[in-house]
Amino acid sequence: GAVVSQHPSRVICKSGTSVKIECRSLDFQATTMFWYRQFPKQSLMLMATSNEGSKATYEQGVEKDKFLINHASLTLSTLTVTSAHPEDSSFYICSARDVGLAAAWGGNEQFFGPGTRLTVL
Amino acid sequence: EDQVTQSPEALRLQEGESSSLNCSYTVSGLRGLFWYRQDPGKGPEFLFTLYSAGEEKEKERLKATLTKKESFLHITAPKPEDSATYLCAVQAYSSASKIIFGSGTRLSIRP
Repeated sequence: GAVVSQHPSRVICKSGTSVKIECRSLDFQATTMFWYRQFPKQSLMLMATSNEGSKATYEQGVEKDKFLINHASLTLSTLTVTSAHPEDSSFYICSARDVGLAAAWGGNEQFFGPGTRLTVL
Repeated sequence: EDQVTQSPEALRLQEGESSSLNCSYTVSGLRGLFWYRQDPGKGPEFLFTLYSAGEEKEKERLKATLTKKESFLHITAPKPEDSATYLCAVQAYSSASKIIFGSGTRLSIRP
């Protein structure tokens, strides 16, 4: 249980193009999903919290017009990197909280996807 | 400000040599402390959640413990496949659903 998938696993694009990354909870529902980025040998940095049916909440310093987040259903959130530049190259990871676990006993664990490696040329 | 500090930054052990990883935290009302394992190029894999001081949880060769200021991840008789980065994260009551990660401990087990 608690499986999260991401697609694509790797993407290489040219500077100026937009890239969409999908995050799906496969066997549970998630009203809240999270998007992180991770640079080599560094820890995870939270970019934004994605809420089903409402606007995402972005962390300080993260441009909401550049990183568009849509959480259209209880199992799918998407992150679109608009007009990507080489400095956006990174490892992007999503996570999700299981609504059922949270309701049953207050479980607050986040379950992570396998990550998406973005390279912008 | 909520903070998580992990030590050591890196740890190299011989197969079978037991040790402990430390996670010190400062948080305004701990809602939960989490341990994850991360392999290179992959997302973190959930290991444990601890909620209150004195709580312990075990999984195979790993045992996590919690006090009011820190958590330890004890690894007993490790094997090379236990090599990974181990991440500690905390959630405060005041932070809604957000969790704050430490910088991790890179564990390497030599055969």
